[in-house]
Amino acid sequence: DAKTTQPPSMDCAEGRAANLPCNHSTISGNEYVYWYRQIHSQGPQYIIHGLKNNETNEMASLIITEDRKSSTLILPHATLRDTAVYYCIVRDPQGGSEKLVFGKGTKLTVNP
Amino acid sequence: EPEVTQTPSHQVTQMGQEVILRCVPISNHLYFYWYRQILGQKVEFLVSFYNNEISEKSEIFDDQFSVERPDGSNFTLKIRSTKLEDSAMYFCATHRDRGSDTQYFGPGTRLTVL
Repeated sequence: DAKTTQPPSMDCAEGRAANLPCNHSTISGNEYVYWYRQIHSQGPQYIIHGLKNNETNEMASLIITEDRKSSTLILPHATLRDTAVYYCIVRDPQGGSEKLVFGKGTKLTVNP
Repeated sequence: EPEVTQTPSHQVTQMGQEVILRCVPISNHLYFYWYRQILGQKVEFLVSFYNNEISEKSEIFDDQFSVERPDGSNFTLKIRSTKLEDSAMYFCATHRDRGSDTQYFGPGTRLTVL
């Protein structure tokens, strides 16, 4: 089972920041937080990942709390094309298993 | 940007028939995966493959399923005798090496079993 909890759905206005929360209260010290998204039954797409420091790339920012029990994915200026299901996944990249365990994710709808 | 490709995009088959789904991984990637997603449900891991052998498989991946790299480029998933409940999107994913940050997913094959 997924080790994360996410709200099932969120709405955001186009051009505004979308802040997607994720709880991972049982995360272990070696586990990273990964975010993927899936646009309308396409293959999941990697967005960003982090261990404990905040991370930013061209797609998004990832804010991880100091206790690492939760995180927030930030899309700074959401567009209609960002409408998708967003998955928060915790995984130890040096652990025994390479698989990704997907939960139900958050369905983000960006409205015009 | 290099990408994973999958063929066919849509496969329709009769129950009991064999199907082969094909994936062309990114060229320097060494780890390969199959996932599936039944309509309206979560993406589920099926199997991982490295160095020409299965490294991990889920309970879903029973004797009806097999994987191989027949020619060193394609990575295939075979379902020997399809069932109605095999209808799903099947995604291939690859990544470069162990611990690599990112799994890259293909666009998927929609399998419909009638």
